[in-house]
Amino acid sequence: DVKVTQSSRYLVKRTGEKVFLECVQDMDHENMFWYRQDPGLGLRLIYFSYDVKMKEKGDIPEGYSVSREKKERFSLILESASTNQTSMYLCASRDKSHQPQHFGDGTRLSIL
Amino acid sequence: AQSVSQHNHHVILSEAASLELGCNYSYGGTVNLFWYVQYPGQHLQLLLKYFSGDPLVKGIKGFEAEFIKSKFSFNLRKPSVQWSDTAEYFCAVNANQAGTALIFGKGTTLSVSS
Repeated sequence: DVKVTQSSRYLVKRTGEKVFLECVQDMDHENMFWYRQDPGLGLRLIYFSYDVKMKEKGDIPEGYSVSREKKERFSLILESASTNQTSMYLCASRDKSHQPQHFGDGTRLSIL
Repeated sequence: AQSVSQHNHHVILSEAASLELGCNYSYGGTVNLFWYVQYPGQHLQLLLKYFSGDPLVKGIKGFEAEFIKSKFSFNLRKPSVQWSDTAEYFCAVNANQAGTALIFGKGTTLSVSS
């Protein structure tokens, strides 16, 4: 079974802080994704990566950046956290395009 | 750009009722289609997927979905729901090419009363 592990289930940070969310997958998948999930809005794609050191913007990249230095790890960075970034953040990984994405348990981030 | 539309925000059913959740997408090329489910407090799980072949696909827990290319639709069905089907359901689409991500609908919350 594919395992996608997000480093924290719950995180509380302050406005203006730099926040790092970490995600690791154990199946040597090429593709990794970051989404945020908000009530009534579904999952919205922030960034994804289809290879090491490669990244693509999703639908809502503003205020975020990502890093993929190793194939198994994909980090989401909130450069200067703001209260409107309070959300559930979901990481996913996938092998080929027709394969399903496998999701982590999510990180519930609160920005105070 | 691709987009996914789920018709119902919240569906309330009694046990044993039949279920159909609508999903339409906009994309002119070949697509891969998925339904995911999220039970309360749990992570997203794959219910079923379609990428080629028989347009009627069967998934876990008695769910099925039909891909109708001419209508750009991929509706989810279950003949008889159970209380344990209470969850949020997401339809998702991606273009069948490398370097693309799943685009999700806004989700449908299903509440089943016993």
